[in-house]
Amino acid sequence: DIVMTQSPDSLAVSLGERATINCKSSQTLLYNFNNKNYLAWYQQKPGQPPKLLIYWASTRESGVPDRFSGSGSGTDFTLTISRLQAEDVAVYYCQQYASSPPTFGQGTKVAIK
Amino acid sequence: EVQLVESGGGLVKPGGSLRLSCAGSGFPFNNAWMSWVRQVPGKGLEWLGRIKRKTEGGTTEYAAPVKGRFTISRDDSKNTLYLQMNSLKTEDTAIYYCATENYGDYVLHYWGQGTLVTVSS
Repeated sequence: DIVMTQSPDSLAVSLGERATINCKSSQTLLYNFNNKNYLAWYQQKPGQPPKLLIYWASTRESGVPDRFSGSGSGTDFTLTISRLQAEDVAVYYCQQYASSPPTFGQGTKVAIK
Repeated sequence: EVQLVESGGGLVKPGGSLRLSCAGSGFPFNNAWMSWVRQVPGKGLEWLGRIKRKTEGGTTEYAAPVKGRFTISRDDSKNTLYLQMNSLKTEDTAIYYCATENYGDYVLHYWGQGTLVTVSS
């Protein structure tokens, strides 16, 4: 199975500032035949199910604010929240879907400083 | 609006069985690939398995920890997904979510609210 490792485990950011979460996979998530990275990001607020934010490493799901962006390729990926809002307090998970079983990172908790 | 509503969770003894249901609405259920994911409260996410739509064979696949113990099925006439869980262990205690895949690629676009399963004597 592909192992997904996120860093940091938690971070505190001031409102309006940038939050950056990293995700590293144990194998490449880039398929050469379509040049796509099989990496998604989810947001989970307290007491709620996860919500899909980004797939193909950088494609925002419909309705997701543009302050959320994804980048990276191969084995190293980043989720950036450009201007943190109070409603962004949550745990964020990366997920690889390059091979079965799909696997998730351990999560990164984002709080307000 | 897409809605997924899980039910059937509860307290069960080790070695026991439980069947979870997931009722879908607001989308063409028969056209959806469906997955089950679980989460130990306060911990991370674990994909358990999925079932393809009938037009692609309706076949299933499972993660290793549950293969042979859990069975995923669907009744498209009732817009309902099922998870039959047998030989339950204490480590199966978790919140169980159903989720949809739009394109059969393991990207989980919509999630239910989850149902809690507690395995304890």
